[in-house]
Amino acid sequence: QVQLMESGGGVVQPGRSLRLSCAASGFTFSTYAMHWVRQAPGKGLEWVAIISSDGSNKYFADSVKGRLTISRDNSKNTLYLQMSSLIPEDTAVYYCAREGAWVSAFDIWGQGTMVTVSS
Amino acid sequence: EIMMTQSPATLSVSPGERATLSCRASQSVSSNLAWYQQKPGQAPRLLIYAASTRATGIPPRFSGTGSGTEFTLTISSLQSEDFAVYYCQQYNNWPPWTFGQGTKVEIK
Repeated sequence: QVQLMESGGGVVQPGRSLRLSCAASGFTFSTYAMHWVRQAPGKGLEWVAIISSDGSNKYFADSVKGRLTISRDNSKNTLYLQMSSLIPEDTAVYYCAREGAWVSAFDIWGQGTMVTVSS
Repeated sequence: EIMMTQSPATLSVSPGERATLSCRASQSVSSNLAWYQQKPGQAPRLLIYAASTRATGIPPRFSGTGSGTEFTLTISSLQSEDFAVYYCQQYNNWPPWTFGQGTKVEIK
């Protein structure tokens, strides 16, 4: 079935780096734009980044610009979020989400992976 | 950036009753508005897109209306599994894609 599964979360010190992965299955990954969305503990949803289906276009939230990078490997059906210069405010559950084929809503979500930035 | 404002923050409803949730955009988003449901410890789930179209598998008790800046999600007869947090999201002007702060629907 259509599925997204994140991995790579954990506890990391401020200023360090971490890479999240999102493995896709059950659909033609290479034809969909993909997003990362995060949710700080007890808070709402915050869009983080998008990458186009072929990886040629990327956009980022102002809060993460210059520190987070999004990429994808369509041969491996995997989406990535490279996080560097992490700050405590990056502490959140990170979800990958598929953008719908015909509408820019997020129709499939992964279960999320927790990132905690703390010394 | 388009700001999305949801009201109320918390809605207390008895099972079987109707729930009406509101979402307002800081500028027109046409009908490019989605609603998501999130239960504790789970990922969000798409309920409604294009302001009024139910996503696959969403029961008809969920309905969305509105366009421009004012939107409503109605749950016609609340079931036990509907108690959750609901978010609206605009995808008309991006980036960024922006969400409302959420409405928690709790058991009265």
